[in-house]
Amino acid sequence: SQKIEQNSEALNIQEGKTATLTCNYTNYSPAYLQWYRQDPGRGPVFLLLIRENEKEKRKERLKVTFDTTLKQSLFHITASQPADSATYLCALIMDTGRRALTFGSGTRLQVQP
Amino acid sequence: DTGVSQDPRHKITKRGQNVTFRCDPISEHNRLYWYRQTLGQGPEFLTYFQNEAQLEKSRLLSDRFSAERPKGSFSTLEIQRTEQGDSAMYLCASSFLRQGEEKLFFGSGTQLSVL
Repeated sequence: SQKIEQNSEALNIQEGKTATLTCNYTNYSPAYLQWYRQDPGRGPVFLLLIRENEKEKRKERLKVTFDTTLKQSLFHITASQPADSATYLCALIMDTGRRALTFGSGTRLQVQP
Repeated sequence: DTGVSQDPRHKITKRGQNVTFRCDPISEHNRLYWYRQTLGQGPEFLTYFQNEAQLEKSRLLSDRFSAERPKGSFSTLEIQRTEQGDSAMYLCASSFLRQGEEKLFFGSGTQLSVL
């Protein structure tokens, strides 16, 4: 069955280091993939969208890569700060018959000062 | 505040009662989504509207759930005869389609606890 996999274990890193989060998906080849940030008790907030014909996209300290052969996206936060601590969700449309985004279960990032 | 707003933020109810949640989307957005999220999981799609038409429903949406979006503005999600398994965060999001892509703007959610 089609699914999105994100590392369910929390990622703990030291302030200033680069955090790398992984999103793997099966079967379907989406036209684009999105990353969202979610803080406790709040709704997700859109961060970045990367299209299938883009290998890499950057926004300030964020970088996303999209490998459609591996069916994988990597999300990087450089020079991480404690304020980056949150859960990061990847999302994509999993089926040609669907319009709604399917979300992964998210990876919790904890940046230690 | 021009973001997506949801009401109430928290709802505690007894099993068997009916509950209704409201979502006010960003005014220029024509699409509205409902998702459900439990602890440690990502949001799970329930249903979505384009203007006032309900275009897609998930298998998660049992016959106890009903959603409406009269006049293509605000939306309501009603759960009848609530069960303890309905306890979750109910998230609303709105969007508009641009060049074949859309980004979702979420509200802060309604946390439902069924006792």
